[in-house]
Amino acid sequence: NAGVTQTPKFQVLKTGQSMTLQCAQDMNHNSMYWYRQDPGMGLRLIYYSASEGTTDKGEVPNGYNVSRLNKREFSLRLESAAPSQTSVYFCASSELAGTYNEQFFGPGTRLTVL
Amino acid sequence: AQSVTQLDSQVPVFEEAPVELRCNYSSSVSVYLFWYVQYPNQGLQLLLKYLSGSTLVESINGFEAEFNKSQTSFHLRKPSVHISDTAEYFCAVSEIGGYQKVTFGTGTKLQVIP
Repeated sequence: NAGVTQTPKFQVLKTGQSMTLQCAQDMNHNSMYWYRQDPGMGLRLIYYSASEGTTDKGEVPNGYNVSRLNKREFSLRLESAAPSQTSVYFCASSELAGTYNEQFFGPGTRLTVL
Repeated sequence: AQSVTQLDSQVPVFEEAPVELRCNYSSSVSVYLFWYVQYPNQGLQLLLKYLSGSTLVESINGFEAEFNKSQTSFHLRKPSVHISDTAEYFCAVSEIGGYQKVTFGTGTKLQVIP
């Protein structure tokens, strides 16, 4: 049982390049999330998917797109990377059908945009 | 809308001394409350949670937190810290009902000094 996995672990991009961050969970969770973590700002929600087939914007969606490929996988795409997108990105999942929304996190992707 | 405030960005404490990490929240409805811990270069892990019932909740590694509805607080305490407790701690709140979006605080770095 791997939990939440993310690829890649590290990535360096040049301004204007595109890339996709991959996330998968094997806990049969309904909901999945993408956060970015910046020093002094905690975790900020980029996009989430409450259930398979739905996606919604979070707090900081500009410059990103997402795809809920199936129940297991939720990808985050940067179409044209900017230095302001240098951050650590975390994917998380949770069982929405439960009575609370405990989230399980992946190990993160450290992205640097030059 | 819900919000979480962690006023202390860093807390240095000597090994075996007690510690309190403060968390205050704001919400117009009833909430679930969480503390997550992030060890260096890792994702977040749930430390403890308050859902209902006893206002004092405990973790397996000696941390405890008390839900105080009148003061809208959920402070985290440990009577005697260990070097291995060095990490960043995030308080989080989730409103009961509806989608149950989780809002994270900005984090408190606990530095245990030998």
